[in-house]
Formats: sequence, structure tokens, C-alpha cells
Amino acid sequence: NAGVTQTPKFRVLKTGQSMTLLCAQDMNHEYMYWYRQDPGMGLRLIHYSVGEGTTAKGEVPDGYNVSRLKKQNFLLGLESAAPSQTSVYFCASSYGLWTGELFFGEGSRLTVL
Amino acid sequence: DAKTTQPPSMDCAEGRAANLPCNHSTISGNEYVYWYRQIHSQGPQYIIHGLKNNETNEMASLIITEDRKSSTLILPHATLRDTAVYYCIVRLSLHDMRFGAGTRLTVKP
Repeated sequence: NAGVTQTPKFRVLKTGQSMTLLCAQDMNHEYMYWYRQDPGMGLRLIHYSVGEGTTAKGEVPDGYNVSRLKKQNFLLGLESAAPSQTSVYFCASSYGLWTGELFFGEGSRLTVL
Repeated sequence: DAKTTQPPSMDCAEGRAANLPCNHSTISGNEYVYWYRQIHSQGPQYIIHGLKNNETNEMASLIITEDRKSSTLILPHATLRDTAVYYCIVRLSLHDMRFGAGTRLTVKP
């Protein structure tokens, strides 16, 4: 049982390039989330999804787009990467929305030069 | 939205109980108290959560004061592997989870 898997784990981009981070979960969870974590700080919610085909903005959504075409996958896209998007990105999933546990992936470290 | 206040760092001797405090004086009646931890640069790991009553699981105990304005996470027998950043979060729903700076717990031999 893999849980939450993120790919890629490391990526270096040049300013203006685009890329997509993939999050896959095998727990049949309805809810999925993308966070970013900057050095010395806590996690901040970028976007989340409450089910297949639905997405919503979190605390820091600007510069990112997401899609949830399949229940098990949640994609985070950067259309035109900026140095300010250098961060560690974490995906999470959960069974419920009002209470319970968030299951996190191992993170994806993105550097934008 | 309720805010939490945690000490930035704490030390604990290996084998002793680690008591991590959290103040959340503006908590509302239906907000849960969650605790997560993050070991090194891994993804955060759920520890425990509660609403009003004290809770215990295989990892830790959560003690919530009667007025719900503060709580304490207790790791009964801390080990070196418990060294991590511990986050106290007060939230209504999982899509409102906000991770602050947390408490960096260092367990020393």
C-alpha cells in the first residue's frame, strides 16, 4: 500500500518554464490537497479538491493551476515558473472533510532559477 | 479563525515524557484541535486530534483544558526518533488546516 506518492521528487526549472507535479493516492480518498513549505515556515495550502472534477483555491493559489480528472490523481501545474515558487511541495489526501487525518506524501523539492 | 501559540523549541531527555503546550484562546465550540509532526523534511504525520475530551492513541495523549483555551500533547516515553517539529492546529475542517511554525522538539540521549 503506497499511500500518497508524489512525482517528481526533485526538479530544477528556469524562470518561465512550465511543469506539472503529480500526486497519486491509492486509498480511495475523496479529498486531496496541495501545500507548499518555505524554509523555516509551516505549510500553506495552495489548492484542494473535494472530489473528482472539482477544485478550490486555498491560501496561496496565485501562479498555480490544478486538475482532478481522476479520483486518485491531483495535478499541480506551474504555467510560468518564478523564483518565488522555489519551495517544497506536499500533497495530502483525506477520507473525510470535517475531521480525521491528512495523509501526506514525501514532498517534491522544486528550484526555479 | 482560531490561532495557536506554541513555544518555538523544547528539549526532552530520552525516556522521559515530553509535554508540548499549545494556547488557542479564541477557539470556537466546534473547532477541533489537531497535532501533527514533521520529522526532518518528510511530509507531516498525523498524531492525534480532539474536540473536548482527552484523547489517547498509540502515539500520544492529548489533554484539552475544560475551557478549551489550551491543550497539551504528551509523548509518554520520548525516543530520539521523536525529534521533530510539532504542529498544533485548530480548525473547523480539513481544508482549513493552517500549519504555523510549530515547536521544534529535540530529544536528547
